Amino acid sequence: GQQVMQIPQYQHVQEGEDFTTYCNSSTTLSNIQWYKQRPGGHPVFLIQLVKSGEVKKQKRLTFQFGEAKKNSSLHITATQTTDVGTYFCAGRTYSGAGSYQLTFGKGTKLSVIP
Amino acid sequence: DAGVIQSPRHEVTEMGQEVTLRCKPISGHNSLFWYRQTMMRGLELLIYFNNNVPIDDSGMPEDRFSAKMPNASFSTLKIQPSEPRDSAVYFCASDMRGGTEAFFGQGTRLTVV
Repeated sequence: GQQVMQIPQYQHVQEGEDFTTYCNSSTTLSNIQWYKQRPGGHPVFLIQLVKSGEVKKQKRLTFQFGEAKKNSSLHITATQTTDVGTYFCAGRTYSGAGSYQLTFGKGTKLSVIP
Repeated sequence: DAGVIQSPRHEVTEMGQEVTLRCKPISGHNSLFWYRQTMMRGLELLIYFNNNVPIDDSGMPEDRFSAKMPNASFSTLKIQPSEPRDSAVYFCASDMRGGTEAFFGQGTRLTVV
């Protein structure tokens, strides 16, 4: 079945440093989504990338989708304590009969040291 | 809309007991997902439904797990009999047909002792 690998599993950074998490799929994706889960919370949608090579920005967050639509990255510039949480990528693949499977990576847990 | 609603929020049960987790998706959404989250295995897809029909249940760990979606506004995940290794947070999520964001419920924290 489809697999989505995400690295690193954990990242500790000093406040103000940059952070990047990487995502790789075993199959070509229809699109990729990114979610953030705060400690004790549930995953919350951040963004979706659809086109090959697409780059999107949300303030200090930059999301990229690879040319082959099999990998993606999330980069946070100048981290803040509010960025703490686990960041998940989730790949969409078509399952047939109009159904799209959503498979999550294991996530990268970000800790920010003030 | 109140979002995806899961119940109960917390469940503590003894090994061997039957556990039923419930989910009400967002009205109008036609895909529903059940996920299990643990520290060791992360967020695992157990099963997902499209238009109330189970599409892929390959993530269901074993026969002790079963899921149903009798109508568009309700789904259950049942574990019978429960075991300590089933302890986890179980999330339900829903979305519109393909290619859109998934909305998660608050989750059910299950502890089997």
